[in-house]
Amino acid sequence: SQKIEQNSEALNIQEGKTATLTCNYTNYSPAYLQWYRQDPGRGPVFLLLIRENEKEKRKERLKVTFDTTLKQSLFHITASQPADSATYLCALANYGQNFVFGPGTRLSVLP
Amino acid sequence: ETGVTQTPRHLVMGMTNKKSLKCEQHLGHNAMYWYKQSAKKPLELMFVYSLEERVENNSVPSRFSPECPNSSHLFLHLHTLQPEDSALYLCASSQGTGGLMHTGELFFGEGSRLTVL
Repeated sequence: SQKIEQNSEALNIQEGKTATLTCNYTNYSPAYLQWYRQDPGRGPVFLLLIRENEKEKRKERLKVTFDTTLKQSLFHITASQPADSATYLCALANYGQNFVFGPGTRLSVLP
Repeated sequence: ETGVTQTPRHLVMGMTNKKSLKCEQHLGHNAMYWYKQSAKKPLELMFVYSLEERVENNSVPSRFSPECPNSSHLFLHLHTLQPEDSALYLCASSQGTGGLMHTGELFFGEGSRLTVL
């Protein structure tokens, strides 16, 4: 059955460093991969979409990679700030299908 | 108002109660969704409506009953729930369904925190 894993449940990093979050999947060949941010008690907010034929996507301090051979996406936040502390969710979909979400990684950026 | 609005934000109900969750989107989208988010578990898709027609029902127990009277409104009617149904219920909307139609970007509401006693 399809499985989506996101590295660790929680990740702590020092302010100013680059945070790298991992999304791995098995038994799946998604055409699209999204990343969302979720703050406690709030709904997720869309950040980035990357397609299977795209290797990398950037938006301000965010960078996403998509390696269909490794079945993995990496989500980077450069020059991290305490305000980046949140749970980050990856979501995958194939053509015409709804997105399936991973369990999320809770990121804490320490001042 | 803009975005996706959910009411109530918090709901406590007994197992024999009947209550409803409401969602309204002001984005002109044609697809609406209900998700369940429990502690330590990924978001679970419950129902999808596209152009007011239910297109997906992920084996959700009949004690959850969705209703989509128009493309802007979505309800989740709750009846004889169990304590394990306690969770955050999230409504979302998008323009089209599935990755084929669009980026598939989902716009979520703030959620309704449900506690079943």
